[in-house]
Amino acid sequence: AQTVTQSQPEMSVQEAETVTLSCTYDTSESDYYLFWYKQPPSRQMILVIRQEAYKQQNATENRFSVNFQKAAKSFSLKISDSQLGDAAMYFCSLIQGAQKLVFGQGTRLTINP
Amino acid sequence: EADIYQTPRYLVIGTGKKITLECSQTMGHDKMYWYQQDPGMELHLIHYSYGVNSTEKGDLSSESTVSRIRTEHFPLTLESARPSHTSQYLCASGEGAGLAVWNEQFFGPGTRLTVL
Repeated sequence: AQTVTQSQPEMSVQEAETVTLSCTYDTSESDYYLFWYKQPPSRQMILVIRQEAYKQQNATENRFSVNFQKAAKSFSLKISDSQLGDAAMYFCSLIQGAQKLVFGQGTRLTINP
Repeated sequence: EADIYQTPRYLVIGTGKKITLECSQTMGHDKMYWYQQDPGMELHLIHYSYGVNSTEKGDLSSESTVSRIRTEHFPLTLESARPSHTSQYLCASGEGAGLAVWNEQFFGPGTRLTVL
């Protein structure tokens, strides 16, 4: 069975600085996709960034980028120039053939002004 | 924001009552999901559907039931609510036939249920 692990329950960063959220996963499939979702306080969960496992190039979306290490089964999220609006729960997730998302435990990110 | 809606947003109800949490999406997605989110914020899949008349139980056992009579509608029902059902319930939908990078899920705002 596939698993996703986020070992950092909480992280904090100063506004305008860079923070990296860690995620490791385990799957026996060769074809899968990885996502980072963001859940702001009392607001809907939204997709931040996605990565295809067969692509070596790391995905980027504006200030958000990933470090995808397939052999190590690692998928960390880097947020550059952190903003107050980045404060949220962040969930790493995996989808494969069963087409069900598997989520990590979440990391609560606090932005200090 | 995604066109997926949940009602009610908040519900406080007594033990033994029957409740239905509504979820609707206007995106024409075949796939729909229900998650239970515990106080520690971890998400657990409790039900999913890949289309009309298709429903499956998720990874976390739940006493709730679901139905999928219409593509856009995926209600969740608890026949007899108990305090252990107190939680946040998130509905989601997704598109894509087969496995693809576009298999992202769009989430509703959630229903926070409290059973006294």
